Amino acid sequence: DIQMTQSPSTLSASVGDRVTITCRASQNVYSWLAWYQQKAGKAPKLLIYKASSLESGVPSRFSGSGSGTEFSLTISSLQPDDFATYYCQQYNTYYPNSFGQGTKLEIK
Amino acid sequence: QVQLQESGPGLVKPSQTLSLTCTVSGGSLSSGASYWSWIRQHPEKGLEWIGYVHYSGSTYYNPSLKSRVTISIDTSKNQFSLKMSSVTAADTAVYYCARGGNNFDYWGQGTLVTVSS
Repeated sequence: DIQMTQSPSTLSASVGDRVTITCRASQNVYSWLAWYQQKAGKAPKLLIYKASSLESGVPSRFSGSGSGTEFSLTISSLQPDDFATYYCQQYNTYYPNSFGQGTKLEIK
Repeated sequence: QVQLQESGPGLVKPSQTLSLTCTVSGGSLSSGASYWSWIRQHPEKGLEWIGYVHYSGSTYYNPSLKSRVTISIDTSKNQFSLKMSSVTAADTAVYYCARGGNNFDYWGQGTLVTVSS
């Protein structure tokens, strides 16, 4: 199976900050990577798919990049609604889907 | 707008079978990408993909759960279901149904299933 490792586990930031979350895969997943946002008590919400494609309706301050084993999610200017937990997920065809352990984005 | 809703018992005894159903509204199970998944989240933990079913009935399960899991689909009712046998306390989690076989664009609200005697 493919292990997904996110860093940092917790990130403290302020409204207006630019933040980046990193996700590393234990094997090559090409561009088969998605990012989700989850708020307490709610289901995850798809933000990015295929590493850098923005899901419909997601604000353009969210962007994704990377390929192979190294990926990142960047929020260009944090808004109050963005404080949540973020997960990466790989979907390489030859392996079962797997998620990172999550990054909690907190208000500084 | 596609909506998904999980239903089923919130409490299951150890060694018994967990059974959940996901009802889809606002869209057909046999339209679009037509893969439908179950995903779970242990309390205060990360996400674990359980498996998916295609509208044709074909399935793919996470190998770590494959021996205990069956996912089926009923297109006439616009529902798909999860059965997990021989449950233990380690299966206590919030269970989500979602649209997609690789990435997941619509999710149910989730249902907490507790395994306890």
